[in-house]
Amino acid sequence: NAGVTQTPKFQVLKTGQSMTLQCAQDMNHNSMYWYRQDPGMGLRLIYYSASEGTTDKGEVPNGYNVSRLNKREFSLRLESAAPSQTSVYFCASSVRRASYEQYFGPGTRLTVT
Amino acid sequence: AQSVTQPDIHITVSEGASLELRCNYSYGATPYLFWYVQSPGQGLQLLLKYFSGDTLVQGIKGFEAEFKRSQSSFNLRKPSVHWSDAAEYFCAVGASSNYQLIWGAGTKLIIKP
Repeated sequence: NAGVTQTPKFQVLKTGQSMTLQCAQDMNHNSMYWYRQDPGMGLRLIYYSASEGTTDKGEVPNGYNVSRLNKREFSLRLESAAPSQTSVYFCASSVRRASYEQYFGPGTRLTVT
Repeated sequence: AQSVTQPDIHITVSEGASLELRCNYSYGATPYLFWYVQSPGQGLQLLLKYFSGDTLVQGIKGFEAEFKRSQSSFNLRKPSVHWSDAAEYFCAVGASSNYQLIWGAGTKLIIKP
C-alpha cells in the first residue's frame, strides 16, 4: 500500500515550457487535491476533484489545469510555466470531501528559470 | 474571512523539554481542527484532529492538543520532545461551507541537543 505517489520528485523548467505532474493514490479515495507550498504561506489549494469525473478550482488556479483520469489518478498541468510557479507541489487525497482528513504525497519541487 | 494564524515562525526547544505550538483561528461556525507535521523533504502527515466532544485530543507520536473555544485556539503540546520531532508543523481548519482546509503558515521546530 503505497498511499499517495507523485512523479517527478524534482523538475527544472524554462519559462514557457509545459509539463504535467502526476499523482496516484491506492486507498480508494474519492477526493483528490493539488496544493502548492511556498515559504511562509502554508499550503494553498490549486484545484480539487471531489469525485471521479469532477474538478473544481481552488484558491490559486490561474496558470494550471487538471485532469482526473480515473479514481486513482489526478494530474496537474502547467501549460506555459512562469517563474512565479516555482514552488513545491503536493497532491493529497481523502475518503470524500467532507471527511477533511487528507493524505499527502511526498511532493514535487519545481523550479522555473 | 476564515483564517488560521500560527504566531511563531520558528521555535527552538532543548531535547527533553516540553513544547507548545500556538494556533489561533477565525471561523464563524464550530471548526474542525487539525495539526499536521512535515518532516524535511517529506509530505504532510496528520498528527491529530478535533471534530467534537472532549476538547483535549491525543494524537500520534505523543502529541496532544486542546481546543479552547473562548480563545479560538488549538495549541499543540508535547511533554518531552525528541530530536526526531524536528519538523514543520501546520495547523488547519476545515471549513464546512466548502469542505476545504484553511492552512496556517507553519511553525518550524528546531531541537537543541
